[in-house]
Formats: sequence, C-alpha cells, structure tokens
Amino acid sequence: EAGVTQFPSHSVIEKGQTVTLRCDPISGHDNLYWYRRVMGKEIKFLLHFVKESKQDESGMPNNRFLAERTGGTYSTLKVQPAELEDSGVYFCASSQASGAYNEQFFGPGTRLTVL
Amino acid sequence: RKEVEQDPGPFNVPEGATVAFNCTYSNSASQSFFWYRQDCRKEPKLLMSVYSSGNEDGRFTAQLNRASQYISLLIRDSKLSDSATYLCVVNPPGFQKLVFGTGTRLLVSP
Repeated sequence: EAGVTQFPSHSVIEKGQTVTLRCDPISGHDNLYWYRRVMGKEIKFLLHFVKESKQDESGMPNNRFLAERTGGTYSTLKVQPAELEDSGVYFCASSQASGAYNEQFFGPGTRLTVL
Repeated sequence: RKEVEQDPGPFNVPEGATVAFNCTYSNSASQSFFWYRQDCRKEPKLLMSVYSSGNEDGRFTAQLNRASQYISLLIRDSKLSDSATYLCVVNPPGFQKLVFGTGTRLLVSP
C-alpha cells in the first residue's frame, strides 16, 4: 500500500513568489493534516481536514497560507506571497479515522526555502 | 511554557546500553500520548503509543504518569540503528492535532 506522498520534495523560491505544495494521503484516509518545522523549532500543526472540510485551522500562521482539499482526496497548501520566515519543512499526514490513539502517517515532507 | 518539553540531548551511548528519555506536557487534560522516531531528513514515524498502564514493545518501554504529566521512553540493549531523534507527542483534548516536543537526539556508537 502506498504511503503519504508529497510534491515537490524541495522548492526554492524568492520572497514574494507563490508556491503550492501538494499532498496525496493514503487511499481511504478521510483525515488529512498539515504540519511544518522551521529550523531549530519543533514540528507544529497547521490544519486538519476531514474529507473536504476544514476541521481545525488554528495553526495556520496568517492569511498568506491557503489550504484546500477539493473532493476530499489530495490537498494543496499555497503560500502567497512567500516570506523568508516561511522556510522550513512542510509535512502532510493522514489517518483513517478520528479519535484518540489514531495513528497519523506522515509523508516525506516538502523542504521549502525562501530566499 | 511549551506544551511539550524534552531534553534535546544529544545522548551519546555505547551499543548495548540502556537509555531513558523523559518528557513533560502542560495540558493535564491531554488524551493520548506517543513516541515518534525521526531519522535525519526523514519524516516522523510512530514508534509506540503510550498508555496509562505503561506498555512494552521488545526493547522499548513507555510509561505515562498523568499525575505528574510526565512520559518516559526506555530503550534497552541499544543498537546502532536506534540512532535517531525521538519525539514526544501529545494529543490535546478536543482536537485531532498532534503537539510535538523538540525531540531528543540519540547517538549509539560501536
């Protein structure tokens, strides 16, 4: 069974440009999460989809970030315009169901560098 | 105060040693707890869930002390392949999100 996949694996852009990250969850997983790790800090939650609905977007840093999950399958995270502090590794995770002790499976991440 | 706090290490131990990691969390109502392992430049992977009664998986033992808001991970008979960063992870009440500690780095040497 394929795991969570993310594209691209790396992205280098200039400040002010737009970048779109994509995540394909494990097939059949209704729950999809975005996290990011900026250098020297812990991994932090951004938002949670259940199917196509945003269940919790409390971690989104500001309105330059837009996440979508049309059709409840793959998700995109767009950063527009990118700032230097957006550099980091963006992880996507998925889980089959909700509830305590429900394992979240992580993708390999997209390493974003904003110059 | 951070929601999840860990000693960043690194812990340098020889093969065969026993090593213990500790973690504290701030939200007493947190509902589930995990240890994830992350290799360099890789994604986090679930190592084990941590249950109130404590649980063991081979060389790994996890303990939870809700009264002290404290979680531990014990690794016995360390292998070279155990070298990684160990992330203490908590699921706060009412949410599905995971809250991560900064991780504890373990280096096992021959």
